[in-house]
Amino acid sequence: AQRVTQPEKLLSVFKGAPVELKCNYSYSGSPELFWYVQYSRQRLQLLLRHISRESIKGFTADLNKGETSFHLKKPFAQEEDSAMYYCALNEGFQKLVFGTGTRLLVSP
Amino acid sequence: ETGVTQSPTHLIKTRGQQVTLRCSSQSGHNTVSWYQQALGQGPQFIFQYYREEENGRGNFPPRFSGLQFPNYSSELNVNALELDDSALYLCASSLDGREWGSPLHFGNGTRLTVT
Repeated sequence: AQRVTQPEKLLSVFKGAPVELKCNYSYSGSPELFWYVQYSRQRLQLLLRHISRESIKGFTADLNKGETSFHLKKPFAQEEDSAMYYCALNEGFQKLVFGTGTRLLVSP
Repeated sequence: ETGVTQSPTHLIKTRGQQVTLRCSSQSGHNTVSWYQQALGQGPQFIFQYYREEENGRGNFPPRFSGLQFPNYSSELNVNALELDDSALYLCASSLDGREWGSPLHFGNGTRLTVT
């Protein structure tokens, strides 16, 4: 069965430090992966998609098929990055399998 | 552009009762998906509706059912409520259910508590 694993429940860093949120997946075909984010008192929203290969709010994520990973990275964390981050795998036609999420806390 | 709206925001029901949750999709979107998010977990796919027809279902029992209306709004119905049904129920709409990777736009959710 398809599965998404986010090993860290909480990641706490200081402002300006690099951030890496880990995501590993299991999928038999060619995966399509996403990062969704939920800021405090806001709805869940798309941060980035692997097929777009873009940087959003300074975040990037590279699909590594050999390691079955899709880690989210940012070189210099900001306080406004504090949020809940979910990695998600598209099972087909937008049926997403989500990980359990990682809470990122950026302290001043 | 109007976003996804869900009602009610909170609901308390007793075990064995039935509940209906409602969702208005974002303007122009023809696909609605429902997710259940238990405390401390990621959202879990319940089912999806594309142009009024069920277009996929997750690992949920038949007492979870849904509808999509001609205006693409949707309902989630849960019969014979169980304590484990207590969760946040999220509705998400997307532009076209046939298109791979079309981003989901989520509502704020309905918090259901079953006592």
